[in-house]
Amino acid sequence: DVKVTQSSRYLVKRTGEKVFLECVQDMDHENMFWYRQDPGLGLRLIYFSYDVKMKEKGDIPEGYSVSREKKERFSLILESASTNQTSMYLCASSFGVRLAGADTQYFGPGTRLTVL
Amino acid sequence: GIQVEQSPPDLILQEGANSTLRCNFSDSVNNLQWFHQNPWGQLINLFYIPSGTKQNGRLSATTVATERYSLLYISSSQTTDSGVYFCAVRRGSGYSTLTFGKGTMLLVSP
Repeated sequence: DVKVTQSSRYLVKRTGEKVFLECVQDMDHENMFWYRQDPGLGLRLIYFSYDVKMKEKGDIPEGYSVSREKKERFSLILESASTNQTSMYLCASSFGVRLAGADTQYFGPGTRLTVL
Repeated sequence: GIQVEQSPPDLILQEGANSTLRCNFSDSVNNLQWFHQNPWGQLINLFYIPSGTKQNGRLSATTVATERYSLLYISSSQTTDSGVYFCAVRRGSGYSTLTFGKGTMLLVSP
């Protein structure tokens, strides 16, 4: 089974702090994604990566950056956390698009971040 | 970008009832997935179904790609079916990013 893990289930930070959220997958997936989920807005894509050291902006990248130094690990960074970044953050991974069904995305358990 | 609309937004059922959830999308798609988000926030893959019909136990899904909709059927619902059901699609080729609908919140009462 695919396993996607996230470093924390719950996190409380103060405004202005630098925050790191980490995601690890164990299936040698090429693609990794970071989403945030807010009530009434569904899941929105922040950033994604299709290869090591590669990254692409999603729909709402402002205020975030990412790092992918190793294939299995994808980090989301909040350079200076703000209260409007209080949200549920979900990481996902997929093989890619070469095979039918290979772009099925698998999700981690999520991190509920509160910024005070 | 592609639009994904799910209906109904909320649904309350008695245990044992059947239900149909709908997902409409505005353009042709290469990937369509149904997810269930449990009360703890975990998103669980239900189906990868860009076209055709699939069944898994009490759940089945049908996607009619030419008419741009997909249906998720839940039969003999159980309280553990409660949660939010999301439909997500990927359009065309290129990067394999998904666009999510806003979900259907299902509550199954005993």
